[in-house]
Amino acid sequence: DQQVKQNSPSLSVQEGRISILNCDYTNSMFDYFLWYKKYPAEGPTFLISISSIKDKNEDGRFTVFLNKSAKHLSLHIVPSQPGDSAVYFCAASGMDSSYKLIFGSGTRLLVRP
Amino acid sequence: EAGVAQSPRYKIIEKRQSVAFWCNPISGHATLYWYQQILGQGPKLLIQFQNNGVVDDSQLPKDRFSAERLKGVDSTLKIQPAKLEDSAVYLCASSLVPQGGRNGELFFGEGSRLTVL
Repeated sequence: DQQVKQNSPSLSVQEGRISILNCDYTNSMFDYFLWYKKYPAEGPTFLISISSIKDKNEDGRFTVFLNKSAKHLSLHIVPSQPGDSAVYFCAASGMDSSYKLIFGSGTRLLVRP
Repeated sequence: EAGVAQSPRYKIIEKRQSVAFWCNPISGHATLYWYQQILGQGPKLLIQFQNNGVVDDSQLPKDRFSAERLKGVDSTLKIQPAKLEDSAVYLCASSLVPQGGRNGELFFGEGSRLTVL
């Protein structure tokens, strides 16, 4: 039972354009949503998060949007840079599971120069 | 500030053999996690420690996996005997607070890649 789903295994965009990574969840008890970035042979690193009381959070080139009614969130990267090429994991947590992180399967982003 | 340290980085073993992974968390982080990441999947929590006590081991296959954090600092994850499906990256993470999954307070090590032949 996948509670967090990333249906696009890969995404390729041109440098300078917008990258949009999508994530869906099923558990309405989730109240924190996070994006982690992972380079090859490294551990995941925290990128940005949003709590369920907000619908948008912005940090520089990265913006996360949350649509609670649709149980959907997205990560926008503008403008995309070649250094953004990595695997992006969506994760969620909630008080009902003591904020244990549940990860999606990841989306591999390739930003072409 | 030093990050989460893990060793070995890579390990290849035959099925039915045993293997152990070591993790040293960020100094002062009381909460330590072991995750399993199978190729093409996201990390899955195996076990969470708070100091030297187990908080959650509901997804740890206890017939073959064991973990300990005897002095509340570094930790060891053991697999005995290993199966083919145990091939994965084993990620250790730590956080200052027990509920590290709320707001990016969870820091991962580089992982230990296990291949079982």
